[in-house]
Order: sequence, then C-alpha cells, then structure tokens
Amino acid sequence: SQQGEEDPQALSIQEGENATMNCSYKTSINNLQWYRQNSGRGLVHLILIRSNEREKHSGRLRVTLDTSKKSSSLLITASRAADTASYFCATDLSNTGFQKLVFGTGTRLLVSP
Amino acid sequence: EAQVTQNPRYLITVTGKKLTVTCSQNMNHEYMSWYRQDPGLGLRQIYYSMNVEVTDKGDVPEGYKVSRKEKRNFPLILESPSPNQTSLYFCASGAGRGSIPVNNEQFFGPGTRLTVL
Repeated sequence: SQQGEEDPQALSIQEGENATMNCSYKTSINNLQWYRQNSGRGLVHLILIRSNEREKHSGRLRVTLDTSKKSSSLLITASRAADTASYFCATDLSNTGFQKLVFGTGTRLLVSP
Repeated sequence: EAQVTQNPRYLITVTGKKLTVTCSQNMNHEYMSWYRQDPGLGLRQIYYSMNVEVTDKGDVPEGYKVSRKEKRNFPLILESPSPNQTSLYFCASGAGRGSIPVNNEQFFGPGTRLTVL
C-alpha cells in the first residue's frame, strides 16, 4: 500500500478561497515534500519540511508536519485559477544517505474563477 | 536553463519491440530516478542511480533495465514491452555530494507517455 495517502482525493473551490490538503504516512521519515503537477506534465517541487520542523511557509503555501500523528497538511491561501493542478506529498525515507521518495496518490484541486 | 529532458514524449509501440526512453539532465546531479505514474496508484519508482555506474531497483523494476554510463544520462530500457507497461513515465534528478543528497528536492522531466499495444 502507499506510504503517503492524500485527502481529499479531489477538491473544488472558488478563487480567493483557501485550499487544504492532508497527507498521512506510515513510517519514520527524514523529510516530507509537496509537489504540484499540471495535467499530464512533470512534477514541480513546492516545499520541503524536515522531520524536526513543525511548520513552514513559502509565499501562499503553508505546510505543517505532525510526526506523532504521521501527517502533514498543505494550505494554499487566496487560491487562483492557476493553482488548478494535482498535488502530491512525497515522504523521504532515506536514512543511509541516498534518496528514497515515496509519493502518495495525490489530490486534484480545481479552482474556479 | 536547468532542466531534465526526456525523449520521446509520446510513443506507441507493439508488444515485444525493444525500446529506450532517454533522460538527460544538465544540472550535474549525481542522483537520477525513473518513475511510472498510473491512475489511482500515484508515482512508483522503477530504478534509481546514485552516481555513474551505480544503479538499484526501486519498487517496480520488473520488465525494465537502466544504465548510467555518464552522469547526465539515465536511459530506461524496455527489452520486451508488454501492455501492462502502458503508462506515463517520468525521469527525475537530484543533487548530492557523493552518496549524500543535498536538499532532497527532485527535478522532474516532462514525461513520456507510452502505449504498448
């Protein structure tokens, strides 16, 4: 089964509203990353939060991490139509110096004008 | 421009006909990886490489081969493609110092949509 599970699977909001996506995972991690994918295109890295961090901001993005609950959330504030995309969390399981990113199944976000 | 390129972007082939999908990055990254993306399954890692001549299996390596003869290139080889390998394939790269990743961010190529009939 997937290491990362996003919730909800799909989210539809109006421009200007906030969008919150959640990610749960199963095992200990070094860090957790969020990526965006526009339809059929490559993934773009958004933000990385390390296991010893609880919250991180980048522009309109806010990410939280709760390692005791093995969960993370991505908040996009004041959403825009251009934010329409799929969002994936990826847990970094590397513990011997090499990368092991495990991706969830994603949340499809639709932002309507 | 820093980027990961893949070729071809689209490919329709028939069962059993060997094919290679190329991947190249211009960021001098040590780490490279191949993923496949299927509906409802997210991205699953096929193979990865920590450096030249160093490759290892990911979660779904069956039916695939890779090679890493040069730092910038990491081709994915399907010796005898089958319909269950119809998928969207992504190559990615990441920085590292030897075996130690830096930042852990991965940069993705635009994807190759493969259909095996």
